[in-house]
This record gives sequence, C-alpha cells and structure tokens, in this order.
Amino acid sequence: AQSVTQLGSHVSVSEGALVLLRCNYSSSVPPYLFWYVQYPNQGLQLLLKYTSAATLVKGINGFEAEFKKSETSFHLTKPSAHMSDAAEYFCAVSDPNTGNQFYFGTGTSLTVIP
Amino acid sequence: GAVVSQHPSRVICKSGTSVKIECRSLDFQATTMFWYRQFPKQSLMLMATSNEGSKATYEQGVEKDKFLINHASLTLSTLTVTSAHPEDSSFYICSARPGTFSYNEQFFGPGTRLTVL
Repeated sequence: AQSVTQLGSHVSVSEGALVLLRCNYSSSVPPYLFWYVQYPNQGLQLLLKYTSAATLVKGINGFEAEFKKSETSFHLTKPSAHMSDAAEYFCAVSDPNTGNQFYFGTGTSLTVIP
Repeated sequence: GAVVSQHPSRVICKSGTSVKIECRSLDFQATTMFWYRQFPKQSLMLMATSNEGSKATYEQGVEKDKFLINHASLTLSTLTVTSAHPEDSSFYICSARPGTFSYNEQFFGPGTRLTVL
C-alpha cells in the first residue's frame, strides 16, 4: 500500500518568507501526487498536482512543487508567504495502477507570523 | 467546472436519530464517489468507496450497517449515519471522480459538520 509522510505537523513562517512543506511518499512506481489546502470548516481545495508530466508543477496562489523520484519527495514551496496562506495542507498520493484510493498525509498546519 | 456540493453543511441531531448527508457532482458525472471522515486536527480517513449502481466498499473498521451509502445516480451519493451517537460527531467530506480521467483526480465537497448531542 501507498503511504505519505508529511514531516512537521506545524510550520511557522514570517510573512514574506519562504514556505516549505515536506512530503515523501512510498511507492515502487511513480504515483500521481497532489497538494490540497484546507481552511477551517471547509473542504479540500486542490493547489496542484503531478501527473507524470513536468517534474516542477506550478499551482494556484503562487505555490509550486517539485517531483523528485530519487528522493521520493514532492515538497511544496512558495517564495513569499502571505497571511492568507495560513491553513492546513495535505499531501496525497494515488497509485495509477490500482486506480482507486487516495492516501493522505497527516497534514501540516501553516502559521504565518506578521 | 468539477464542482461537488454537500448538503447540509452543518447538522445537529439527538443521539439515536439518523442523519442523511448528500453529495452531488454538479457539472460532471461521477462513476465513483468517496466518503471521508476527519477528526479535529487530523487527516482524512477514507470510510468507503461507492460506485454508481453497486454496493459500496467499506474500509476496515467502518460499520456498514451504521454508515449506509447509496450511489443511485451518476451525480448523487448519500451517506446515512444511523442511530447516531456522540462519538459519530465529526466532519464528513465526500469526493467524486469523473467517469473519464487520466490521473485519478478527485474533486472534494465542502464537508458536513455533524454534531450528535
């Protein structure tokens, strides 16, 4: 089965600073990878996805992520944090061979300090 | 496009009653819908997968008689929490996958907050 590890359940950055949220997956084949953001009492909003095309993926709100097969990682970055980025972020993986289930990481809560 | 709605967004009920939550794909046909449960400050836990016209597949540890799932059409799935108890209080999120897809993307609903008194 797939698994997703998000290092750091809580990350704090200053406004304007670099945001780096880590995600590692376990898979013997390149999976499909996703980053979602969740605001309080809301559902999940897709930030970006990797689907075996370009390894550097650009998403909404200035976020991007790079797929590194050798490191089995898909870290999320944003050059300059904004107060509105404060939210919960989830990394998810799905296996294109099984074609079914999403596996979610445990989430990272991002705090942006003014 | 690819919008998923859930109704109701919040529900409060008494212990022992049943609650139905609807999940609709508004602008696409969803052959597969998923139901997740999320506890405070935790990740999403898949409860069940439902395919239109067939019985849902429940994850290990999820009581199928307590969480009834019906996927009667390509745009609607319902989750009924039967004889709800306070421990069933949670945030329930559905997602839907289009009938044609190339990368398994799921589109998520806004969630339903269930509080059982």
